[in-house]
Amino acid sequence: NAGVTQTPKFQVLKTGQSMTLQCAQDMNHNSMYWYRQDPGMGLRLIYYSASEGTTDKGEVPNGYNVSRLNKREFSLRLESAAPSQTSVYFCATSLNYEQYFGPGTRLTVT
Amino acid sequence: QQQVKQSPQSLIVQKGGISIINCAYENTAFDYFPWYQQFPGKGPALLIAIRPDVSEKKEGRFTISFNKSAKQFSLHIMDSQPGDSATYFCAASQGSARQLTFGSGTQLTVLP
Repeated sequence: NAGVTQTPKFQVLKTGQSMTLQCAQDMNHNSMYWYRQDPGMGLRLIYYSASEGTTDKGEVPNGYNVSRLNKREFSLRLESAAPSQTSVYFCATSLNYEQYFGPGTRLTVT
Repeated sequence: QQQVKQSPQSLIVQKGGISIINCAYENTAFDYFPWYQQFPGKGPALLIAIRPDVSEKKEGRFTISFNKSAKQFSLHIMDSQPGDSATYFCAASQGSARQLTFGSGTQLTVLP
C-alpha cells in the first residue's frame, strides 16, 4: 500500500520545454488535487478533480493542464515551462474531509 | 487574496515549552480546519483537524482552539520536543470537492 506516489522526484527543464508530472494513488479516493509550494506562500491549489472524469481550476491554473486518466491517476502537464513555474509540486487525494499528500516533485526551470 | 493568514512565520521554543501558532480566516463558508506538519523533503502530513461546531480538540500533546466569532484558530503543542521541529501549516476547506486553502506556514524549531 504505497498511498500517493509521484514521479519524477526531481526535474530540471529549460524554458519552453514541456513535461508531465505523474500522480497515482491506491487509496481508492474519489478526489485528487495538484498543489504547488513556494517559499513563504504555503501551498496553492492548481487544479483538482472531484471525481473520475471531472477537473476544475484552482487558485493558480495558468500555464498548466491536467488529466484525470482514471480513478487512480491524475497528471499535471506544463506545455511550455517558465522560470516562474520553478516550485515543489504536490499531489493529494481525499475521501471526505482528510487530504493525503504525496512526497512531491521538485521542478527547476532554467 | 490571502484567505488564511498564519503567524508567526518562525518560532523558536525550548524543549518542554508550549508552541503556539495562530491562524485567521476570512471566508465564513469554510467548514473544516486542519493542521499539517511538514518535514524537509517530505509532503505535508495531517496532524489534527477541527470542525466549527467544536471550540477545542485535543490529540495527545496537540490541541486546536477554535473561535468562530473571531474567525481564528490556533495550534498548541504542549511539552514541545526537538522531534517536533518542522513547518506547520494551517488550512481551511469548503465545498463538495474539499479543496484546501493554506496559510503561509510556520517554521518551528525546538531547542534541546
